[in-house]
Amino acid sequence: DAKTTQPPSMDCAEGRAANLPCNHSTISGNEYVYWYRQIHSQGPQYIIHGLKNNETNEMASLIITEDRKSSTLILPHATLRDTAVYYCIVRAGGSQGNLIFGKGTKLSVKP
Amino acid sequence: EPEVTQTPSHQVTQMGQEVILRCVPISNHLYFYWYRQILGQKVEFLVSFYNNEISEKSEIFDDQFSVERPDGSNFTLKIRSTKLEDSAMYFCASRGQGRSGANVLTFGAGSRLTVL
Repeated sequence: DAKTTQPPSMDCAEGRAANLPCNHSTISGNEYVYWYRQIHSQGPQYIIHGLKNNETNEMASLIITEDRKSSTLILPHATLRDTAVYYCIVRAGGSQGNLIFGKGTKLSVKP
Repeated sequence: EPEVTQTPSHQVTQMGQEVILRCVPISNHLYFYWYRQILGQKVEFLVSFYNNEISEKSEIFDDQFSVERPDGSNFTLKIRSTKLEDSAMYFCASRGQGRSGANVLTFGAGSRLTVL
């Protein structure tokens, strides 16, 4: 699976957009980009995923560059409850296998 | 919204004792997983399970660990003889057969295991 690189930490002001970057320069054509988050010690929570196109759901938007070597997760109006560790994971679709979690980005949303 | 349910939420056990952690995956899901997270460390994959057999396991998942789906609803993780280093939060996850084949896992809230 392609390796991902994320900044270890980021701050964001409450109410502003949080833009979390992820590099995955060795991604291959059948690999999806997934974003999960973990709030404190809770179970990881799925946010969004994409293959080539930008995606949006009720939680976030995912912007994938045209060459697919990087992506950005956007939380449009961050709240204090969005403080969490955010994981960018790359994995081939259709596999029965697992997702490998890295260290992620610790996002701190400040009042 | 459908949930993955894990019990117990916290278990304290003595070293060398057997522990069974239980999970009720989402009812129409077909793929099941166990992960663990030692305090302050990464979420680590242990094992995946599909069609009543292990489909993938990590090097952590040694002979002390086993998984079972005994009755079509529960999915259990057994640690045969616990060690101090097994102290961790254990997360169960499940996945349906998504149309895109994407690996969208739903995780439970976790079971905290403390080995004394």
